[in-house]
Amino acid sequence: SQQGEEDPQALSIQEGENATMNCSYKTSINNLQWYRQNSGRGLVHLNLIRSNEREKHSGRLRVTLDTSKKSSSLLITASRAADTASYFCATDPQGAQKLVFGQGTRLTINP
Amino acid sequence: GAGVSQTPSNKVTEKGKYVELRCDPISGHTALYWYRQSLGQGPEFLIYFQGTGAADDSGLPNDRFFAVRPEGSVSTLKIQRTERGDSAVYLCASSRAGRTGETQYFGPGTRLLVL
Repeated sequence: SQQGEEDPQALSIQEGENATMNCSYKTSINNLQWYRQNSGRGLVHLNLIRSNEREKHSGRLRVTLDTSKKSSSLLITASRAADTASYFCATDPQGAQKLVFGQGTRLTINP
Repeated sequence: GAGVSQTPSNKVTEKGKYVELRCDPISGHTALYWYRQSLGQGPEFLIYFQGTGAADDSGLPNDRFFAVRPEGSVSTLKIQRTERGDSAVYLCASSRAGRTGETQYFGPGTRLLVL
């Protein structure tokens, strides 16, 4: 079973706009990670935020984590057509090495 | 160095047949994971190896599924008596030591279609 829910399930914006994707989860976690997937195949790791962190920046990506609300967000600024992909959050529940993924957000950047 | 590789890229089989899916992790990574992803869904955990041993197989859906990693490197996921519901993309990932918070590096997946 899947732990999290992503919101929205699909997002379509114009190139240059910012894209915000949200993720909620259910159990206590050690870390939360964001992955990107192109064309339904391999996942690419984007960012990891630890349970004691609130915000991380990496280039055009900004990730936030609110453990009191069991939620995270991924912001992509100045979007590009190449950002078109599905984005997944994944948590590693305390005591486990496996990742538990949400259902993903399908992001489309229109040129 | 090379990333995680998986073979075959695609596999079409008939209901009831046996299939094997192979994963080559990143060299030196002791932890290896199998996930299954159905259309429109996120990956779901199947099994985790630490070295040669299955440290967590709680995600295997039933006894038709099993996986091995005899030498602590390459892993094979085996599915017996395949069913149409087994159709999915099977993803393999590896990480350096299997510690909490390590990045898992994913392969391109094997797309399995059971007719």
